[in-house]
Amino acid sequence: DSGVTQTPKHLITATGQRVTLRCSPRSGDLSVYWYQQSLDQGLQFLIQYYNGEERAKGNILERFSAQQFPDLHSELNLSSLELGDSALYFCASSVLSGGNTGELFFGEGSRLTVL
Amino acid sequence: GENVEQHPSTLSVQEGDSAVIKCTYSDSASNYFPWYKQELGKRPQLIIDIRSNVGEKKDQRIAVTLNKTAKHFSLHITETQPEDSAVYFCAAPRGAGTALIFGKGTTLSVSS
Repeated sequence: DSGVTQTPKHLITATGQRVTLRCSPRSGDLSVYWYQQSLDQGLQFLIQYYNGEERAKGNILERFSAQQFPDLHSELNLSSLELGDSALYFCASSVLSGGNTGELFFGEGSRLTVL
Repeated sequence: GENVEQHPSTLSVQEGDSAVIKCTYSDSASNYFPWYKQELGKRPQLIIDIRSNVGEKKDQRIAVTLNKTAKHFSLHITETQPEDSAVYFCAAPRGAGTALIFGKGTTLSVSS
């Protein structure tokens, strides 16, 4: 158990709909990262938050947005869903200390299926 | 931004053989190079990492080597076992931050 909690584990929805994925980081971790894993695309970095503020943005579509709340949990919002958005969405957390990169602890992922 | 290339995409070995996976990165400022293992249906987990001030690091049957001049690093697994079968990802940090950019992964199959 990594200590990172993601909900829901599975989600099936239709094209055009909107969903929200939730992540609770490990206790004490201030950074949260979102990654998308599709079959042939590996782990694509979407966005990072640190202590409530956006820190880095990757290949995140304009239809997607995220935020990190004062209690440090994060939500990834996916709207106007398309078939190609079907993927496993991972949240990860880390201790960000002095700018040194370190281990990312991944949650179990949320599998999104868009029909 | 950082670009991480990983080869090969698939690797099949016999139990007891060695396996080597190679990655190249583009950002010369990168200073941290981890390897993650993802078993089928599971989350990625760190198995070994190396920082730019060393050239090699070992942990039992796994080792990572780093060549900063050539901007590449490699994962070496010796005496492979069936439980080593998984997808392995290399990664490097993006710019001066802590977000990791991952390679596309190598599917390692170890047959007994």
